[in-house]
Amino acid sequence: DAGVIQSPRHEVTEMGQEVTLRCKPISGHNSLFWYRQTMMRGLELLIYFNNNVPIDDSGMPEDRFSAKMPNASFSTLKIQPSEPRDSAVYFCASSRDTVYGYTFGSGTRLTVV
Amino acid sequence: DAKTTQPNSMESNEEEPVHLPCNHSTISGTDYIHWYRQLPSQGPEYVIHGLTSNVNNRMASLAIAEDRKSSTLILHRATLRDAAVYYCILWAGTASKLTFGTGTRLQVTL
Repeated sequence: DAGVIQSPRHEVTEMGQEVTLRCKPISGHNSLFWYRQTMMRGLELLIYFNNNVPIDDSGMPEDRFSAKMPNASFSTLKIQPSEPRDSAVYFCASSRDTVYGYTFGSGTRLTVV
Repeated sequence: DAKTTQPNSMESNEEEPVHLPCNHSTISGTDYIHWYRQLPSQGPEYVIHGLTSNVNNRMASLAIAEDRKSSTLILHRATLRDAAVYYCILWAGTASKLTFGTGTRLQVTL
């Protein structure tokens, strides 16, 4: 089991550019979560999916952020246009929809200059 | 979401036991108590969970107060690799979400 796979590991982009972060959950897990972590705000849940359907996107900061899960093995988080304040580490996590917790990926460190 | 309260930081000597406390006075009867930890430059990692009874696994033990308003994560012999931020989280079950607080930063020294 390769765990939750995120790409890229690091992304540096200029303000105004579109950024796409990718996540491959663990096979068989039917819930997927996108979190963002900054020093100021800690770990924030942005959106989560259950069986590929978005359940709660109340954490998405603004319309510049969008997330999709076209199938059970892939999800994207897109920021368009990106701004310096979007700089953070973005984590994807998946779970089997049971009490036994989430498995997190290694994260994508995004820097917007 | 029910809230948890944890100390901001704790220190321990290597090979000593560590007791990390968590208060959750507004816990509901169906909330599970979850613990995660985040090592430097890594994503959070599941440690242990419980509902009413004390729990043990290869990583740690979880002691839950009888009234469930507090719990303690016990690392039996801390090592330098246990230095991390430890999060105590209440989870309401399927289709609910994990909301992370600020956690306890554990420092382990020789």
